[in-house]
Amino acid sequence: EAGVTQFPSHSVIEKGQTVTLRCDPISGHDNLYWYRRVMGKEIKFLLHFVKESKQDESGMPNNRFLAERTGGTYSTLKVQPAELEDSGVYFCASTPGQGGLGSGNTIYFGEGSWLTVV
Amino acid sequence: AQSVTQPDIHITVSEGASLELRCNYSYGATPYLFWYVQSPGQGLQLLLKYFSGDTLVQGIKGFEAEFKRSQSSFNLRKPSVHWSDAAEYFCAVGARNTGFQKLVFGTGTRLLVSP
Repeated sequence: EAGVTQFPSHSVIEKGQTVTLRCDPISGHDNLYWYRRVMGKEIKFLLHFVKESKQDESGMPNNRFLAERTGGTYSTLKVQPAELEDSGVYFCASTPGQGGLGSGNTIYFGEGSWLTVV
Repeated sequence: AQSVTQPDIHITVSEGASLELRCNYSYGATPYLFWYVQSPGQGLQLLLKYFSGDTLVQGIKGFEAEFKRSQSSFNLRKPSVHWSDAAEYFCAVGARNTGFQKLVFGTGTRLLVSP
């Protein structure tokens, strides 16, 4: 069974450009999460989808970030326009079904998308 | 709000020596606790987790962690480190106020293994 896959693995863009990151969760996983780690800092939660609905987007830093999950399958995270401080690693994760972590679900993480804004 | 502290940014251990990585959390009730590892060029891999019950938790790759409520700690241990253990290790707590739907991570500890 395929794990959580993310694309691209690495991206270098100029300040002001747009980047779209894609995440394919494990098949059948209703919960999809985005996290990011900027250099030297902790990994921080961005948002959580349940199927196609945004359950919690409290971690989104500002309105330059837009996440979508059309059809409840894969998700995209768009940064427009990108700023230097957006550089970091963007992780996607998924869990199956209901109940979240409290039901014993494990969060499966992808390998991350490394974004560098120059 | 929940928080996690990993006081050691870097640790160097000789191959074959024992390892302990520290993690302290701040949380008002029994937490859900996790250790993840990120090897170079890889994603985050779950090493072990604590939800309830036995406070000594066994994980993959020979790792274990002990939940100590009195010290608000969840330290990761391994009796004999291998060169392949060189990676970055993250402690995380499940945030109860979200129905445990998201994790709060520490800043990570980078483990270097010397020959």
